[in-house]
Order: sequence, then C-alpha cells, then structure tokens
Amino acid sequence: NAGVTQTPKFQVLKTGQSMTLQCAQDMNHEYMSWYRQDPGMGLRLIHYSVGAGITDQGEVPNGYNVSRSTTEDFPLRLLSAAPSQTSVYFCASSPLWGDYGYTFGSGTRLTVV
Amino acid sequence: GENVEQHPSTLSVQEGDSAVIKCTYSDSASNYFPWYKQELGKRPQLIIDIRSNVGEKKDQRIAVTLNKTAKHFSLHITETQPEDSAVYFCAANLNTGNQFYFGTGTSLTVIP
Repeated sequence: NAGVTQTPKFQVLKTGQSMTLQCAQDMNHEYMSWYRQDPGMGLRLIHYSVGAGITDQGEVPNGYNVSRSTTEDFPLRLLSAAPSQTSVYFCASSPLWGDYGYTFGSGTRLTVV
Repeated sequence: GENVEQHPSTLSVQEGDSAVIKCTYSDSASNYFPWYKQELGKRPQLIIDIRSNVGEKKDQRIAVTLNKTAKHFSLHITETQPEDSAVYFCAANLNTGNQFYFGTGTSLTVIP
C-alpha cells in the first residue's frame, strides 16, 4: 500500500513550457485534490475531484488543468509555466464521506525560471 | 468561501512548556476540523481532528478544543519536546464536505 505517490519530486521549467505533475493513490479514495504551498500563504486549493470524470476549481485554478479518468490518477497540467507558479505542489486524497483528513503525497518542488 | 485564520505565525517555547495554536473559521456549516504537522521538507501529516459535536479531544500530549459558537478551535501541546518542532496547520471543511481550507501555518520551535 503506497498511499499517495507524486512524481517528479523536483522540476525546473523555463517560462512558457508545459508539464504534467503526476499523482496516483491506491486507497480507492473518491476525493483527490491539488494544493500549492507558498511561504506565509499556507496550502491553497487549485483543483479537486470527487470521483472519476468529475473535476472542479478551487481557490487558485488559473494556469492549471486537471482530469480524472480513473479513481487512482489525478494529473495536474501546467499549460504555459510562469515564474508565479514556482511553488511546492501537494496532491491529497481522502474518502468522500466521513471524518477523514487528507493523505498527502510527498510533494513536487517546481521552479520556473 | 471559507476563511481560516491561524495565530501565531511563529511560536518558540522551552522544552517541557506548553504550546497553544489558535484558529478561527467563517463558515458556520463547517463540522470537521483536522490539524496537520509538517516537518521541514516533508509532507503534512494528520495528527488530530475534531468533529463539531465534540468540545475537546485528547491524544497523549496533544489536544484540540472547539468552540462552535465562537467559531474557533485550538491545538494544545503539553510537555513539548524538540521533535515537536514543525509547522502546524489547522483546517476546516467547506459546507460539511471533504474540501478543506487551511490556515497559514504556525512554525513551532521547541528550544532544548
């Protein structure tokens, strides 16, 4: 049982490049989400999904796309990277119902130059 | 949307002393409040949580209290140890669901 697996752990992009951050969970969790963590700003929700085929925007969705074709996978796509997207990105999952906190992935540290 | 405020942003205590971190939330429908600990370079990990029909919950040296009327909840760590040094985040769920808004974090340093 691996929990929530994120890849890559580190990434450097040039402005304008695109890339996909991968997230997979093996706990059969319906709910999956992406957060970015910036100093002094806590964790801010980018996008989330309550099940395969269903996604919705969070607080800071601009510049990011997501899809949920399976229960296990929830990739985050940066369409045209900007320096403002330099951050640490966390994927998190939980059961949809009940008093459960999140299980977080190990994070991706992204630098856009 | 939900707004979660967390204070203080930094906290230093002597080993053995207690530490208290406070959070307030705005959505009166919120009914579940988890706390996370994030060590340097690591992922946030759930350490304790409380539901709105409970006023207090304890787990060894950590406890969480909830005042639903005032819409604030607090994390209490007693007999602090150096390994308690980390960033702590509070969170509140949005409209009773599993979407959470997080506080901005408290960096706790326990001085040996």
